[in-house]
This record gives sequence, structure tokens and C-alpha cells, in this order.
Amino acid sequence: KQEVTQIPAALSVPEGENLVLNCSFTDSAIYNLQWFRQDPGKGLTSLLLIQSSQREQTSGRLNASLDKSSGRSTLYIAASQPGDSATYLCAALNAGNMLTFGGGTRLMVKP
Amino acid sequence: DGGITQSPKYLFRKEGQNVTLSCEQNLNHDAMYWYRQDPGQGLRLIYYSQIVNDFQKGDIAEGYSVSREKKESFPLTVTSAQKNPTAFYLCASSISQLTRNIQYFGAGTRLSVL
Repeated sequence: KQEVTQIPAALSVPEGENLVLNCSFTDSAIYNLQWFRQDPGKGLTSLLLIQSSQREQTSGRLNASLDKSSGRSTLYIAASQPGDSATYLCAALNAGNMLTFGGGTRLMVKP
Repeated sequence: DGGITQSPKYLFRKEGQNVTLSCEQNLNHDAMYWYRQDPGQGLRLIYYSQIVNDFQKGDIAEGYSVSREKKESFPLTVTSAQKNPTAFYLCASSISQLTRNIQYFGAGTRLSVL
């Protein structure tokens, strides 16, 4: 059964810093890997989706990479802003088209 | 304005009571999902539906029930058999469960026990 882990669970950085969030998964037979953003008490917003055949995806200041062989994905945020403060969740899509979520990384960007 | 609407935003359940959470989508999506999120944890799948009049159990279906009588609606009932119902419940939909599409999420319902 797929297990997804996110480290660290919480992260606090000063504004302007570049940062990396980590996601690891145990079953490399994934169809895709998705990164979501969740604001407190809100639903999830999809940020980036990396297909299994891809190595990375970029959207603005966000860049997500995928290494299936090592079971890892990273989300890189450039020049962080206070508005980036949120919880970031990664999720792996496996056979049966079911998403398995990590526990999330709670990010705080201080002005 | 297309999207997924969950109601109510906050819900309180008394001991032994069944409560129903609403989820409506106007995206014309075939597939709909219910997830539970506990504090500091990721989402766990409760039930999903690929098409009208069909639904399947997820990882933590015990104590919950669903129906899918209409394409746009997928209500979740938290029954008295669910002994620890306090959580944040999220509904999602995708074009089809049979293809690898992005899931779109509602704003969630926070359920607490009185």
C-alpha cells in the first residue's frame, strides 16, 4: 500500500528566501504526483501536477520535480512571500486512480 | 461560476445523531469523492463515486454512508456508528475516475461533536 511522507511538518522562513519542500512515496508505480496548497480552514488548490514520464513542472515561482526511482518529489518556492504561508500537500496517484496524500508541510513566511 | 459547494461550513453533532454533509458540483464531472482530514494529517478517502447510482468504499468507510442519485450531488451521512467524527471533511470531483484527471476540491465542512 502506498505511503506518502512529507518532511518537515512545519517550516518558518524569512521573506525572500528560496525553499524546498520534500515529499517521499514508497510505491514508485505512480501515474502522477500532485502538489496542493491549503489555506487554514479551506479546501485544496492544485498547484502542479507531474506526470510519471516527466521530471519537473514549473508555474511562476514554483517548480516541482519528480524522481520515481528514488520515490521523491520536491517543491521549490523561489523568493518566498508572506502570501505563500499555507500548508502544502503532495499526493501520489496510483493504480485504481486513487490519490494518497502526505501529511503536509505547514509553511510560514515572515515579513 | 463553476465549482464545488459544500454546506454547511460548520456542523455540530449530538451523541447518537446522524448528520448529512452536502456536496454539489456544477462542473459536469462524473466522479466525486469524500475525504476526511484530521489535524496535522493528510486526507483519507471515505467514499468515491464514478458515476450516478454507483459508489465504492474508500480506506475509512466505516460509520459513513453516501448516495449518488444525481450527477451533481454526492451527500455524505456521518452515522452514529462513527465514534470519532470530529474532523474536516472535503469533497472533490474530477472529470472521470477512470482517467488521471485533476481533482477539484470544495471549501470543506468542519464537523464537531457536542
